[in-house]
Amino acid sequence: DTGVSQDPRHKITKRGQNVTFRCDPISEHNRLYWYRQTLGQGPEFLTYFQNEAQLEKSRLLSDRFSAERPKGSFSTLEIQRTEQGDSAMYLCASSWQGASEQYFGPGTRLTVT
Amino acid sequence: QQQVKQSPQSLIVQKGGISIINCAYENTAFDYFPWYQQFPGKGPALLIAIRPDVSEKKEGRFTISFNKSAKQFSLHIMDSQPGDSATYFCAASGASGSARQLTFGSGTQLTVLP
Repeated sequence: DTGVSQDPRHKITKRGQNVTFRCDPISEHNRLYWYRQTLGQGPEFLTYFQNEAQLEKSRLLSDRFSAERPKGSFSTLEIQRTEQGDSAMYLCASSWQGASEQYFGPGTRLTVT
Repeated sequence: QQQVKQSPQSLIVQKGGISIINCAYENTAFDYFPWYQQFPGKGPALLIAIRPDVSEKKEGRFTISFNKSAKQFSLHIMDSQPGDSATYFCAASGASGSARQLTFGSGTQLTVLP
């Protein structure tokens, strides 16, 4: 499978715990995006990388959120001190530099109890 | 500020009918307008996309109509099938800076009755 992959697919955590998600983009895609989708809504942009550089961050990305892409390949999104409002689907997408098409992974469903 | 407005919120169509979903945008920096299809528990899948230099694009049963002056675009699904039942999102993005990320509409839940 050469599509975008995300791990884990589901995560249940207690409020106050830290969680980390991983995204593996389509190989050779140098742009990687993170979005968040709550029930019944469209995805909302969180942050984006070109290679290892984090170029844009949304106001939605509070200081409890951090994202990395250390070698320009896979990326991780960490949420510290989770809150119930963090419950959502976290989606990763990738694209070629210079191309507009973004291809999404299956998402990680986070439930904070 | 919602930059992409999508309607209707839900749509029920008989098998073989035409499904029409509409979107309007505000940001004139947008130059790429895709539609995504999403099934429950799955990530959005790119369906079809258009740029403002054309007024219509067709791929199989799916057609995008684009009206640059009105800042509106729509998705038409011809000969709708029960397997098309899903949530459809319009989106928009630009060529540079903060416009590069996709801005999504709120989605349309399509149900095609057999």
